Amino acid sequence: DAKTTQPTSMDCAEGRAANLPCNHSTISGNEYVYWYRQIHSQGPQYIIHGLKNNETNEMASLIITEDRKSSTLILPHATLRDTAVYYCIVRVPYNAGNMLTFGGGTRLMVKP
Amino acid sequence: GAVVSQHPSRVICKSGTSVKIECRSLDFQATTMFWYRQFPKQSLMLMATSNEGSKATYEQGVEKDKFLINHASLTLSTLTVTSAHPEDSSFYICSAGVAGANVLTFGAGSRLTVL
Repeated sequence: DAKTTQPTSMDCAEGRAANLPCNHSTISGNEYVYWYRQIHSQGPQYIIHGLKNNETNEMASLIITEDRKSSTLILPHATLRDTAVYYCIVRVPYNAGNMLTFGGGTRLMVKP
Repeated sequence: GAVVSQHPSRVICKSGTSVKIECRSLDFQATTMFWYRQFPKQSLMLMATSNEGSKATYEQGVEKDKFLINHASLTLSTLTVTSAHPEDSSFYICSAGVAGANVLTFGAGSRLTVL
């Protein structure tokens, strides 16, 4: 799996957009970018994933640069409940037998 | 969507006793489940891969005789921490995936405290 680099922590004001960056300069052509988050004392929660096109779902948007060496997760209107550790993971798509490897992630603090 | 259930969510035990944690896939079959461990303020670390009907595969540094994994059915994997000691106190999390779904689903985790 390609290595990712994320800022250790970020703050965001409630109601504003939270933009979480991730660098993955060694990403391979068949590797996807996955985002998970972990709210305190809970298991990780899947957010979104993409290959090269921008993706959007009910939780967030994922913007991947054209060279695929970096991406940004966008929470359009952050709430206090979005305070969590966000993990950017680059890997081939899951199939039975392939685990996820977690790095340090970004600790997002949403403040009132 | 796929749901993974863990039980118990919290357990406190005395040093030297054994504790069993269950991980169930509620609405799908999982031939493979993964067990992670997370210490305070650290990231998740993979402990072992649990394979239905066969032996688990343990990561380097994880004692297979201490952390017994049984994956007896396509919907249930269990992790037993044998002769638990205070240093085994941690947050244990399981995960499983639906083949072809591209994502892994995680349980809510089980917090083990060994006194």
